[in-house]
Amino acid sequence: EAQVTQNPRYLITVTGKKLTVTCSQNMNHEYMSWYRQDPGLGLRQIYYSMNVEVTDKGDVPEGYKVSRKEKRNFPLILESPSPNQTSLYFCASRGTDRLRGLHFGNGTRLTVT
Amino acid sequence: GDSVTQMEGPVTLSEEAFLTINCTYTATGYPSLFWYVQYPGEGLQLLLKATKADDKGSNKGFEATYRKETTSFHLEKGSVQVSDSAVYFCAASGGSYIPTFGRGTSLIVHP
Repeated sequence: EAQVTQNPRYLITVTGKKLTVTCSQNMNHEYMSWYRQDPGLGLRQIYYSMNVEVTDKGDVPEGYKVSRKEKRNFPLILESPSPNQTSLYFCASRGTDRLRGLHFGNGTRLTVT
Repeated sequence: GDSVTQMEGPVTLSEEAFLTINCTYTATGYPSLFWYVQYPGEGLQLLLKATKADDKGSNKGFEATYRKETTSFHLEKGSVQVSDSAVYFCAASGGSYIPTFGRGTSLIVHP
């Protein structure tokens, strides 16, 4: 089954403790992206990657890192999480045909205390 | 850059009512337009799309027409069901191929 898999689904952590949210897709997609969803603000793009070893900042990249060493994986790294990074995070992917739309994971709800 | 504006919600309807969720966009050139749906506890799913002026996208009883003259892509459904309760996102994908999303509109359908 074609899917985007994020882990974990829920994560509670403390300020400053480094964490990684994993994202993997099995559709051989070139494009991958991370979003955060907050009430009243909709979806905001954090980082995206057009292909392996190519990453770019989105609208809200501060406090986040990403890497794209393999085509299928696109982890999101919070080196020193802060409470304002408490949010619902989504990973998405798409092939070369931009008309097909994005495939989304089921989300990771992160709470930073 | 590109931008997408959706009507604010929540939109609250009774079952079998007619639904319209407005969406307008600004973009250079002729973007592709999308509607995504997010059911509670899930990620977004592509609902329908249109790639050029006057195209109509449709799926699951929902429709939207690409109106270049009014830069709009309004979502409609003739008779909503309780199971349609979700958050709906309009999106545009222009020359940069990076999609731009609206803020989402929550739809609540009562029996």
